[in-house]
Amino acid sequence: QKEVEQNSGPLSVPEGAIASLNCTYSDRGSQSFFWYRQYSGKSPELIMSIYSNGDKEDGRFTAQLNKASQYVSLLIRDSQPSDSATYLCAAIGSGGYQKVTFGTGTKLQVIP
Amino acid sequence: EPEVTQTPSHQVTQMGQEVILRCVPISNHLYFYWYRQILGQKVEFLVSFYNNEISEKSEIFDDQFSVERPDGSNFTLKIRSTKLEDSAMYFCASSVSSTRDTQYFGPGTRLTVL
Repeated sequence: QKEVEQNSGPLSVPEGAIASLNCTYSDRGSQSFFWYRQYSGKSPELIMSIYSNGDKEDGRFTAQLNKASQYVSLLIRDSQPSDSATYLCAAIGSGGYQKVTFGTGTKLQVIP
Repeated sequence: EPEVTQTPSHQVTQMGQEVILRCVPISNHLYFYWYRQILGQKVEFLVSFYNNEISEKSEIFDDQFSVERPDGSNFTLKIRSTKLEDSAMYFCASSVSSTRDTQYFGPGTRLTVL
């Protein structure tokens, strides 16, 4: 069973701080990785995608990928209360083109 | 901004009944997907659809499930004989081309099986 693992949290950070969210995956052949944000009762919204080792920055968000360690992370700088949500890590494994495997998500709480 | 739409937002049905969940993907997108999320659990891939046929499906997508693109705009998920454990939020998504492209999710249909 190919899995994507996340700490369920909640992760609490003060407003303005950096939130660090982590994810590991079991399928070494995975090539594509995604971070989604999901507000309670809403659908997932893509924040970042990353395909190569290293960092990828987009505004306040930085995704990091380390394929050797099978590890993906998301940093949120200058966290805002509106960032409070569940963050889903997802990966496309080696078994197919389009089957996206999601983690259970990490709940982030940004305290004003 | 174009968006994926889904109807109905909430569907209540009796166990054993058939339900059809409807989605209108973004108009220039070519790949369509169904996911489900049981309350409190993770989002699970069900099926992907391209060029009028299933391109991938998960173990969950068994014979009670089927998908169809009956016309140029709608994409449907049919559950033939619903079970209590089918109660979940069902999300439709679409993307322009391969999964390296952003998958845009619809707002979901909450299915409750009694």
